[in-house]
Amino acid sequence: NAGVTQTPKFQVLKTGQSMTLQCAQDMNHEYMSWYRQDPGMGLRLIHYSVGAGITDQGEVPNGYNVSRSTTEDFPLRLLSAAPSQTSVYFCASSYSGGVRVNGDGYTFGSGTRLTVV
Amino acid sequence: GDSVTQMEGPVTLSEEAFLTINCTYTATGYPSLFWYVQYPGEGLQLLLKATKADDKGSNKGFEATYRKETTSFHLEKGSVQVSDSAVYFCALSSGTYKYIFGTGTRLKVLA
Repeated sequence: NAGVTQTPKFQVLKTGQSMTLQCAQDMNHEYMSWYRQDPGMGLRLIHYSVGAGITDQGEVPNGYNVSRSTTEDFPLRLLSAAPSQTSVYFCASSYSGGVRVNGDGYTFGSGTRLTVV
Repeated sequence: GDSVTQMEGPVTLSEEAFLTINCTYTATGYPSLFWYVQYPGEGLQLLLKATKADDKGSNKGFEATYRKETTSFHLEKGSVQVSDSAVYFCALSSGTYKYIFGTGTRLKVLA
């Protein structure tokens, strides 16, 4: 099925460990982004990409790295996990990223629930 | 900067009741406005959108009208069902590469 695929669905890390959250889309979307969702805070943008080879920081980028080597994939790397990074992470993509006047909505993945102990 | 403000939840209604979830925004220019819905354990799904003033977005019995004069995009449904229980997010896109989301409003519909 077309859409955004995130793996893993659940992960428990120890403080200081590193890991990569995977995100892939098969809709040829230019724009991809990572959000974290925390209770009472809605969704906060971590990093985004407007195309292969181009990434930029969002609202809460510290502690996370991204790269975009292909149109399809946009992995999120946690360099040294901290308890404050316990959250649900969502990857989302869209065709235009909101640049065009008739803005496109996002397609979201089903999320990765990360716990850092 | 751009922002979205949603009413606090949870909102608890009986089945077949009328629903309103308030959303107001602050933005420069002419943003596109969206409502997303999140069911338990799932990602967000686009529910409806409006791209210019006075547009009405609608889907699955839900409606919202883009009101530039009051900078609002309130979500309404005439008769809610238990299956509508979810978290609803208002969002805007103002022509930059970023979407701004509200904090979400949880809806509980009782049979």
